[in-house]
Amino acid sequence: QSVLTQPPSESGTPGQTVSISCSGSVSNIGSNAVNWYQQIPGTAPKLLIYEDNQRPSGVPERISGSKSGTSASLAISGLKSEDDAEYFCAAWDDTMDGLVFGTGTKVTVL
Amino acid sequence: QVQLVQSGAEVQKPGSSVKVSCKASGGTFGSHVLTWVRQAPGQGLEWMGGFIPSVATGNSAQKFQDRVTFSAEDSTNTVYMELSSLRSDDTAVYYCARGLLGMSGAFDVWGQGTMVTVSS
Repeated sequence: QSVLTQPPSESGTPGQTVSISCSGSVSNIGSNAVNWYQQIPGTAPKLLIYEDNQRPSGVPERISGSKSGTSASLAISGLKSEDDAEYFCAAWDDTMDGLVFGTGTKVTVL
Repeated sequence: QVQLVQSGAEVQKPGSSVKVSCKASGGTFGSHVLTWVRQAPGQGLEWMGGFIPSVATGNSAQKFQDRVTFSAEDSTNTVYMELSSLRSDDTAVYYCARGLLGMSGAFDVWGQGTMVTVSS
């Protein structure tokens, strides 16, 4: 049972910007860093954003993260066909004393 | 660049145990945290716990505390996750991943995944 809520799906055409929300609470997003993952079916997740808005080496600048209060967002600008994938947010939860993942958002590039 | 290589697919009967390995190829685990995440078919990601091989300590999600054991073998740069009292709903792909910043939830290197099927 996920404690971080994401919209089930988002879509956009090539070149557009898509934003994915991740809603949590004081005990997780409100107190700890948010991370974002991309997962293509049949493969392991890939880290896109850590510490709310930091990009690991190799992740393009058109992918960005932000956080405000108990919600976070991932934005993908200049949408490409390769962005067609599932996206998950993740944060430590102080109440559960464990890591929690979002419900996942399927991004479709039309 | 370290890669994580996991053991192959498993089919186990309900009530039995499974032990999945995760080997660091091209380097060592160093002082990184190794975490285990599973994904049931068509479902989201679920954190199972984390383990620091260099000090042989870790923690697990409350849901798995009675059933999961983490261990490491320094000589082969391998960590293990053993899950006992298997049930059908333990059928999932199990991933190991390396922590970028402790147990913050940022995992930068992942294994390829191990499919565990629990069926009578």
